[in-house]
Amino acid sequence: EDKVVQSPLSLVVHEGDTVTLNCSYEVTNFRSLLWYKQEKKAPTFLFMLTSSGIEKKSGRLSSILDKKELFSILNITATQTGDSAVYLCAVSVRYQLIWGAGTKLIIKP
Amino acid sequence: DVKVTQSSRYLVKRTGEKVFLECVQDMDHENMFWYRQDPGLGLRLIYFSYDVKMKEKGDIPEGYSVSREKKERFSLILESASTNQTSMYLCASSFGHQETQYFGPGTRLLVL
Repeated sequence: EDKVVQSPLSLVVHEGDTVTLNCSYEVTNFRSLLWYKQEKKAPTFLFMLTSSGIEKKSGRLSSILDKKELFSILNITATQTGDSAVYLCAVSVRYQLIWGAGTKLIIKP
Repeated sequence: DVKVTQSSRYLVKRTGEKVFLECVQDMDHENMFWYRQDPGLGLRLIYFSYDVKMKEKGDIPEGYSVSREKKERFSLILESASTNQTSMYLCASSFGHQETQYFGPGTRLLVL
């Protein structure tokens, strides 16, 4: 059975800290891994990763995929209160996405 | 910008009622999806559709049906609402073979 596991389930840090969120997966027919950010509404797309070892970066957020060890990490540096959200990881299998349960990140001022 | 809209943000229904949730996307996407999201369980796929009048069951289709009569519109129907269908319902769409899905704002449904 296809499975995506995120850790930790929740995380509380102080503004300015750096955080690393983890996503591991066991799926057949892997196509890509996607990260989304969800505040109190719809998930919004952050990154899509298809190749191992190539970092994707957007401002203070970055992500990398390891297809040999079957995981990805999402890093957020110099966190701000606006980074507080649920971060979702999903793996594309054919045309569907298999979702992890999410990591709830709380940034304290 | 891709825009996916859902007919209601909040909905309160009684057990046994028939419930319609509607989703509309304006980007000519072929693929549309309905998920429900519950705390600790992530997003679970209810139904999806690759084309007009086509539908496929997802992981948890029981108690739900869908309709896609037009490309831009995908409806989720709860034939007889039950309290265990209280949840956040999210609609998404994607283009062709692309993996990236774009989401609507969600409908928070409470069944009493």
